Amino acid sequence: QAVVTQEPSLTVSPGGTVTLTCGSSTGAVTSGHSAFWFQQKPGQAPRTLIYETNIKFSWTPARLSGSLLGDKAALTLSSAQPEDEADYYCLLHFSGIWVFGGGTKLTVL
Amino acid sequence: EVQLVESGGGLVQPGGSLRLSCVGSGFSFDSYWINWVRQAPGKGLEWLASIKEDGTASHYLDSVRGRFIISRDNARNTLFLQMDSVRAEDTAVYYCLGGFYAGYWGQGVLVTVSS
Repeated sequence: QAVVTQEPSLTVSPGGTVTLTCGSSTGAVTSGHSAFWFQQKPGQAPRTLIYETNIKFSWTPARLSGSLLGDKAALTLSSAQPEDEADYYCLLHFSGIWVFGGGTKLTVL
Repeated sequence: EVQLVESGGGLVQPGGSLRLSCVGSGFSFDSYWINWVRQAPGKGLEWLASIKEDGTASHYLDSVRGRFIISRDNARNTLFLQMDSVRAEDTAVYYCLGGFYAGYWGQGVLVTVSS
């Protein structure tokens, strides 16, 4: 099965902008992979933020946005806030099989 | 309010079996694919299996195919995961994930495989 890769860790300054990426061992990530993004804080269940690459839920902060960037899916956080510090996971679809990335630990510092 | 509530976790010996349940409420349970996802202690998320709205199709992670079976009872708004021949590496918190575009997670249930 495919391997999905994310940056293990990233740091952003409060008020700054950061982009997390999600790549696939099978090649370019496309809209066909229906990328999802999730946020997980310590001791909590994950929360779904983005589906179908760039569609937000009602609870998704406006400062988060999903896109395709080059050959990867991307999650961009603008105007980072302390409460954005968390683990972020992407999820890609491969013909019925779903594969999570290893997660990115985002530090706001 | 949309809710997914897992149950059935606990301590099980290697080679043993366990059946997890996930009850959904606050949404049309029978209108969506639904998934099982797990997270080993200190590790990332791992998708395990998914099942179609009417239960007629399912998909599995290679490492659990043949040992785990996903099923659902839409009359009771309940998802199941039958776990057989469990191994130490199956120790994890197990989540159900479903609803509109996988927007909803349960709180998770801990499964510990140990002798």
